[in-house]
Amino acid sequence: DIQMTQSPSFLSASVGDRVTINCKASQNINKYLNWYQQKLGEAPKRLIYNTNNLQTGIPSRFSGSGSGTDYTLTISSLQPEDFATYFCLQHNSFPLTFGSGTKLEIK
Amino acid sequence: EVQLVESGGGLVKPGSSLKLSCVASGFTFSSYGMHWIRQAPKKGLEWIALIYYDSSNKYYADSVKGRFTISRDNSKNTLYLEMNSLRSEDTAMYYCAKSGTSPFAYWGQGTLVTVSS
Repeated sequence: DIQMTQSPSFLSASVGDRVTINCKASQNINKYLNWYQQKLGEAPKRLIYNTNNLQTGIPSRFSGSGSGTDYTLTISSLQPEDFATYFCLQHNSFPLTFGSGTKLEIK
Repeated sequence: EVQLVESGGGLVKPGSSLKLSCVASGFTFSSYGMHWIRQAPKKGLEWIALIYYDSSNKYYADSVKGRFTISRDNSKNTLYLEMNSLRSEDTAMYYCAKSGTSPFAYWGQGTLVTVSS
């Protein structure tokens, strides 16, 4: 199974900050990496698919990059509605596996 | 608009069975694979099963293989998850999600399964 190591687990930041969240796969996942946002009591929402493709309706302050085993989600200027938990997902091979999550909190 | 509505969760005792449903609308259900994903309380997400659009292939996580069965009825736009020999560690919110060129663009709101004596 491919292990997804996500970091950091917690991130404290202010409105307007630029933040990055990382996921490292235990083997090459060929850019089959998605990012999701989850708010308390809600289902996850897809932000980015296949490393760097922005989901329709998601603000352009969200972006993704990476290749091989290392991937990054960047939020260029945090907005109040961005404080949530973020997960990565590899869908290169079964079983599909998620990162453990990053909780983004207001500083 | 794509909508996925799960149902069938509840409180059950260890060793018992439960069948979840997910009714889909807003897209051609019979053309897409469908997944089940779960999230234990205050925990991360775990993919548990995929069924192809025509039920020709099914994949399971090791944690549920042999106990859970994914199925679908394309005439009813409905996805199912039959869960047997339930354990306390199966306690979670269960989500269905639509496949596509890249998975999990759309999720249901989830149905809660609690396994406890």
